Amino acid sequence: DGGITQSPKYLFRKEGQNVTLSCEQNLNHDAMYWYRQDPGQGLRLIYYSQIVNDFQKGDIAEGYSVSREKKESFPLTVTSAQKNPTAFYLCASSSPGRRNNEKLFFGSGTQLSVL
Amino acid sequence: KQEVTQIPAALSVPEGENLVLNCSFTDSAIYNLQWFRQDPGKGLTSLLLIQSSQREQTSGRLNASLDKSSGRSTLYIAASQPGDSATYLCAVDTGRRALTFGSGTRLQVQP
Repeated sequence: DGGITQSPKYLFRKEGQNVTLSCEQNLNHDAMYWYRQDPGQGLRLIYYSQIVNDFQKGDIAEGYSVSREKKESFPLTVTSAQKNPTAFYLCASSSPGRRNNEKLFFGSGTQLSVL
Repeated sequence: KQEVTQIPAALSVPEGENLVLNCSFTDSAIYNLQWFRQDPGKGLTSLLLIQSSQREQTSGRLNASLDKSSGRSTLYIAASQPGDSATYLCAVDTGRRALTFGSGTRLQVQP
């Protein structure tokens, strides 16, 4: 089945530890995104990538890093510099196509908590 | 900077009622507006996408309207069912980076 797979579903981080969230898509989409969602709030953009080997910071990139070595994969690393990492992380992808008809497809999310 | 607001933040209705969710945005220069549904602990599912040149879109019991000049969109749900209980988010695409989301309306439909 085509879609976006995020893993793990739940992740726990210790103080000072870096952790990596996985996002894989088989939709052949060029663009991929990472969003953070806090309880009762909307989604905030962390990083996005419009094409392989290129990515841009979003609104809250501090304490996070990404890579885009393959079209299918866009992993997010939460570094020890991110002091408040507890949140629900969502990965999404889209196909550029016609600019005004660009639907966004989401994975099922990763809940990150601090031990 | 584009800002998206959704009112109300939460809504509880009895089964069978028709209801309207509201979304407003500050910058009318948008490519499209999307409505999403999110179930607890899950990702988002796209419900409707309205292009900037359109006034409304319909899918089953859902109807979304768009008034770009006033910066508003509404999502109308007809004959609500308990299975409609979820959080509904709207998001606008200004073509600059990625979608800007509202904080959502949490809907509870009572059987």
